[in-house]
Amino acid sequence: AQKITQTQPGMFVQEKEAVTLDCTYDTSDQSYGLFWYKQPSSGEMIFLIYQGSYDEQNATEGRYSLNFQKARKSANLVISASQLGDSAMYFCAMREGWGGGFKTIFGAGTRLFVKA
Amino acid sequence: NAGVTQTPKFRVLKTGQSMTLLCAQDMNHEYMYWYRQDPGMGLRLIHYSVGEGTTAKGEVPDGYNVSRLKKQNFLLGLESAAPSQTSVYFCASNFNQVSGANVLTFGAGSRLTVL
Repeated sequence: AQKITQTQPGMFVQEKEAVTLDCTYDTSDQSYGLFWYKQPSSGEMIFLIYQGSYDEQNATEGRYSLNFQKARKSANLVISASQLGDSAMYFCAMREGWGGGFKTIFGAGTRLFVKA
Repeated sequence: NAGVTQTPKFRVLKTGQSMTLLCAQDMNHEYMYWYRQDPGMGLRLIHYSVGEGTTAKGEVPDGYNVSRLKKQNFLLGLESAAPSQTSVYFCASNFNQVSGANVLTFGAGSRLTVL
């Protein structure tokens, strides 16, 4: 069963505006990790941001922040000040189990289009 | 530092043919994975390995076999290719650390078409 749900197949955002990409997850583990990866049209997978299940503060990396709501099991990605180069596919992922990357599973992805 | 290297990058097969995708990493990672990517379905885990000589099934293992005879290599085999196996295949690897993100490092992908 799918444990990572991304409900937005496609999203549009105006350049310089902020956008939120949704991600919900399901796990029975207390210890897990949440990730966002970007896949531009060239095809490579680029790591953006990580949130551990025990991290009390939301993760931030430059223009990326992860809105972690543990009780709701959501891990939304917020991109501030969108740029044309942000147009890409974005995947939410979850690693179950403490420490080592025992198994990382991915959502179906959201394609983001940034308009000039 | 090459990271994760996949070969071949492209391959066209006929139904019933066999082939092997090779993944090699030079980062001394313990864990290695094979995913397939299909439109609208994200990346789905086929098989993974937690160390040399060990493999395990992922979400969609049917029709594939894997081997990890050396720590740095993870092979994905298709014994009798089917059109449903047309996909882009990604290999990835990471460390097994007690704490930390253990971020996946991905290869560039291998596009396989089965006619």
